[in-house]
Amino acid sequence: SYELTQPPSVSVSPGQTARITCSGDAVSKQYVHWYQQKPGQAPVVVIYKDTERPSGIPERFSGSSSGTTVTLTISGVQAEDEADYFCQSADNIGTLYVFGSGTKVSVL
Amino acid sequence: EVQLVQSGAEVKKPGESLKISCQGSGYNFTKYWVGWVRQMPGKGLEWMGILYSGDSETIYSPSFQGQVTISADKSISTAYLQWSSLKASDTAMYYCARRRGSTTLQYYFDYWGQGTLVTVSS
Repeated sequence: SYELTQPPSVSVSPGQTARITCSGDAVSKQYVHWYQQKPGQAPVVVIYKDTERPSGIPERFSGSSSGTTVTLTISGVQAEDEADYFCQSADNIGTLYVFGSGTKVSVL
Repeated sequence: EVQLVQSGAEVKKPGESLKISCQGSGYNFTKYWVGWVRQMPGKGLEWMGILYSGDSETIYSPSFQGQVTISADKSISTAYLQWSSLKASDTAMYYCARRRGSTTLQYYFDYWGQGTLVTVSS
């Protein structure tokens, strides 16, 4: 099956680094993208193609990939980064799109 | 400015039909695929299906095939998601989103609508 696995939650103090992982067999074959969703808002893409950052997204957001795991890193976490984060990928013919189960980032 | 504007919240009874909309602006609507994503209360994102309004090609998630219908009217740059007989379990927020990516390896959703909340209750 085509599944992406994320940890349910990550807690971090302001100014520290948060790392959110997304793993699955398909991760090594397809690009992974990351979305931030704040309460009551639509998702926003913060990283695409594993490591690319859209314009307007702060530099503290970065992505990396190694084998069957990709990681979203938020360096110097700010209170405004408290949100749910979802990874997403697609199969190799664009007929199946999958989201990870989501990770809630709490800023202590 | 690219925008996807969705229709307003709906409250329906089980068994009723419903069609919600997503109107694109600020780009050539017929050149991009538009997907629909469900988010049940307190839950994650689920991809439902995707449509290319240029030729009306539609792909459904196996989980939603036969449960909903995705369509579009390209003359008004609008995509639709419809149900013929709603269930209480259809209560959720529904988002439309524009697909981006030049190859199958890269597909992601770069712009999202604001969401349409559908509540199904007797």
